[in-house]
Amino acid sequence: EVQLVESGGGLVQPGGSLRLSCAASGFTFSSYWMSWVRQAPGKGLEWVANIKQDGSEKYYVDSVKGRFTISRDNAKNSLYLQMNSLRAEDTAVYYCARGGRAWQPIDPWGQGTLVTVSS
Amino acid sequence: QSALTQPASVSGSPGQSITISCTGTSSDVGGYNYVSWYQQHPGKAPKLMIYDVSNRPSGVSNRFSGSKSGNTASLTISGLQAEDEADYYCSSYTSSSTRFGGGTKLTVL
Repeated sequence: EVQLVESGGGLVQPGGSLRLSCAASGFTFSSYWMSWVRQAPGKGLEWVANIKQDGSEKYYVDSVKGRFTISRDNAKNSLYLQMNSLRAEDTAVYYCARGGRAWQPIDPWGQGTLVTVSS
Repeated sequence: QSALTQPASVSGSPGQSITISCTGTSSDVGGYNYVSWYQQHPGKAPKLMIYDVSNRPSGVSNRFSGSKSGNTASLTISGLQAEDEADYYCSSYTSSSTRFGGGTKLTVL
């Protein structure tokens, strides 16, 4: 069974940093693009970033470029999202998901981890 | 990186069919056959219902179908059931990102 388990969310002050992790199991992690997608409270889905199988390609939504960094460790079957200079508008549930590029649809999704940016 | 355009809400009675549209541009929906649809129940993670415009993942009911014409993709749900009441999102590949629609709330009357 494919499983994606996020961790690292929590309350952080504006301007602060947080690192999200996603532990993957049940599939060959190194064969898939991986993505982060977020959902602000009561709002729709917003794609945040994705990363190629070997980490050689990364893409970001404009609003996080220069502040967030996506990375992966294929030896540990893990995906990460380093978030710096956090803003109130980054408050959301952050989902880790398999796929997210062309012929690899985003599926499945983790249960999500809540990030709250507030003073 | 604008969102794809979906109606905010649609509704239908049990047994009826409904269609949700998803309008983009030639840079996303119209340019590639990589449109997906997701179902999200309150407090739950999204679930993939359709990928590559019209393909159903294993386990998804054949009451769900997808299509595309030009820059607009559509999700049709036939034989509406109470359990179909949820939010639905489309997404499309682009050359440098993944773009989601704003979401459509489906109410089963």
